[in-house]
Amino acid sequence: GENVEQHPSTLSVQEGDSAVIKCTYSDSASNYFPWYKQELGKRPQLIIDIRSNVGEKKDQRIAVTLNKTAKHFSLHITETQPEDSAVYFCAASNPGTYKYIFGTGTRLKVLA
Amino acid sequence: EAQVTQNPRYLITVTGKKLTVTCSQNMNHEYMSWYRQDPGLGLRQIYYSMNVEVTDKGDVPEGYKVSRKEKRNFPLILESPSPNQTSLYFCASSLTGAREQYFGPGTRLTVT
Repeated sequence: GENVEQHPSTLSVQEGDSAVIKCTYSDSASNYFPWYKQELGKRPQLIIDIRSNVGEKKDQRIAVTLNKTAKHFSLHITETQPEDSAVYFCAASNPGTYKYIFGTGTRLKVLA
Repeated sequence: EAQVTQNPRYLITVTGKKLTVTCSQNMNHEYMSWYRQDPGLGLRQIYYSMNVEVTDKGDVPEGYKVSRKEKRNFPLILESPSPNQTSLYFCASSLTGAREQYFGPGTRLTVT
């Protein structure tokens, strides 16, 4: 079946450093790629998304890049802060079905 | 206030006793979905619905049923729960398929 691989599973960075999380998807028809942040005990919330007709999107300290040829997309967080500590999930959606496949998550710890 | 609600938030039940988890949204969203979250496995889609009376299987539909008789409600039914369905369940909704999903607060289900 279709899947999304996400790496790393855990990531620790010093406050102020950058963090990068990578995802690879298998369904070449996927065209919508959201990223969700889930704080401890809370529900997932969208932080940024990208569509297949765009290669990069930025929102302040957060950016996402997409390489359709390689079926690979990444989340970049710059100038990390303690409140960025959370679990991050990537996902891919097929436009024909709108079925979602999520990655297994990355636990980001920002050390003060 | 725009929101997705789920009930109950916590449920402990026994094997084989039918249960329903309700999900309701007040944002007039067309797309609704159910996910289960398990440690190390991320979010896995159970069922989703593009609109009233339209439902489709996600990645892990076995043992679950859904219905979408009204736009705002999307209940998840476990007709004969088993211990392997012990999990954290999230309902989510979005305006259409490939848009930001708004998650409910989650339902923690334990089947003994």
